[in-house]
Amino acid sequence: DAKTTQPPSMDCAEGRAANLPCNHSTISGNEYVYWYRQIHSQGPQYIIHGLKNNETNEMASLIITEDRKSSTLILPHATLRDTAVYYCIVTLGQGGSEKLVFGKGTKLTVNP
Amino acid sequence: GAVVSQHPSWVICKSGTSVKIECRSLDFQATTMFWYRQFPKQSLMLMATSNEGSKATYEQGVEKDKFLINHASLTLSTLTVTSAHPEDSSFYICSAETLAGWNSYEQYFGPGTRLTVT
Repeated sequence: DAKTTQPPSMDCAEGRAANLPCNHSTISGNEYVYWYRQIHSQGPQYIIHGLKNNETNEMASLIITEDRKSSTLILPHATLRDTAVYYCIVTLGQGGSEKLVFGKGTKLTVNP
Repeated sequence: GAVVSQHPSWVICKSGTSVKIECRSLDFQATTMFWYRQFPKQSLMLMATSNEGSKATYEQGVEKDKFLINHASLTLSTLTVTSAHPEDSSFYICSAETLAGWNSYEQYFGPGTRLTVT
């Protein structure tokens, strides 16, 4: 079972910031928070990951609370092409036998 | 960088035949590749973990004799669906793993293969 809880759906206006929450209250100290998204009928796309500190890359920002029990993925200026299902995944990230367990994710719809 | 390809992107086959799906990491070497299956309106479900040069590890409930996995090189893994049945119709997605930084990994996913068994 997935270790994360996400709202099933969200809407966002084009050009606005999209803030996608994720609860992971049972996360352990050495587990990372990963975000992927899946555009319809495509393979998932890696977005960002983090352990404790907030992270930013060209796609998004990841804000992790101090107690690490929740996080927020921020798409600063959402476009129509950001419409997708977003998955928040908690994993040790150690590779090999470490599996990614996909929950149901959040379906983000960006509206014009 | 970190591109993963799959071939074919879609395939239609008759019940009882076998279908092979290829997964390649184009610009990096991946010691571990994963195979997922996704039914309509559902999330991805891991089928098996494939390590180069060794036997794949299958998830509970996935028949290893039906879904044959070969990981012959650091850039290629294949999934063969043997004696396909209509219930095997699904979206099959592979991923390849690479070291992202100190002690953390990233999985990069292929575009998926849509299998329809008639």
